[in-house]
Amino acid sequence: GENVEQHPSTLSVQEGDSAVIKCTYSDSASNYFPWYKQELGKGPQLIIDIRSNVGEKKDQRIAVTLNKTAKHFSLHITETQPEDSAVYFCAASNDYKLSFGAGTTVTVRA
Amino acid sequence: SAVISQKPSRDICQRGTSLTIQCQVDSQVTMMFWYRQQPGQSLTLIATANQGSEATYESGFVIDKFPISRPNLTFSTLTVSNMSPEDSSIYLCSVESNEETQYFGPGTRLLVL
Repeated sequence: GENVEQHPSTLSVQEGDSAVIKCTYSDSASNYFPWYKQELGKGPQLIIDIRSNVGEKKDQRIAVTLNKTAKHFSLHITETQPEDSAVYFCAASNDYKLSFGAGTTVTVRA
Repeated sequence: SAVISQKPSRDICQRGTSLTIQCQVDSQVTMMFWYRQQPGQSLTLIATANQGSEATYESGFVIDKFPISRPNLTFSTLTVSNMSPEDSSIYLCSVESNEETQYFGPGTRLLVL
């Protein structure tokens, strides 16, 4: 089955700086890569996703890049704000089944 | 995106008992899923809830422990049976909206004593 590795496990950044989270996957058949943000006491919220026919996607301060050859994808958050503090999960999917990374706890210092 | 609700939002249960968790979505969806998130951990798929047929379980999860119902395209239940403290987790339902995009409910936080 699919195996998704996510790094780092924790990330502390100064407000206004950028944050980068990286994931690798094992199954070359995976073709859909979403990112979720989970705040304390809430369910995961989809923040951005990318499909295998696209190399990069951007939505305001959030961007995701995909390298299919290397089987890795990354989340970039620019101009971080305190409300960006949360746990972020990457996932990879083939045929509807999502396999999740272990998560990254992001803390934005004011 | 779909609006998903879960009941109960949290519960504290005694070992040996069972709890049924409900998931309601505001529109008809083909695919519904149940996940478990153990304390401080990532999400693990328990099963796919199929409308009109038996759920499809992932490796390590069995129907006797986690029976699932899916009576229609907007509702599903997950029962955690004969609970032990190891079942203490967040249980999440999700729905597939389109082109593999999944949206999650708020979760049910279960503590088994």
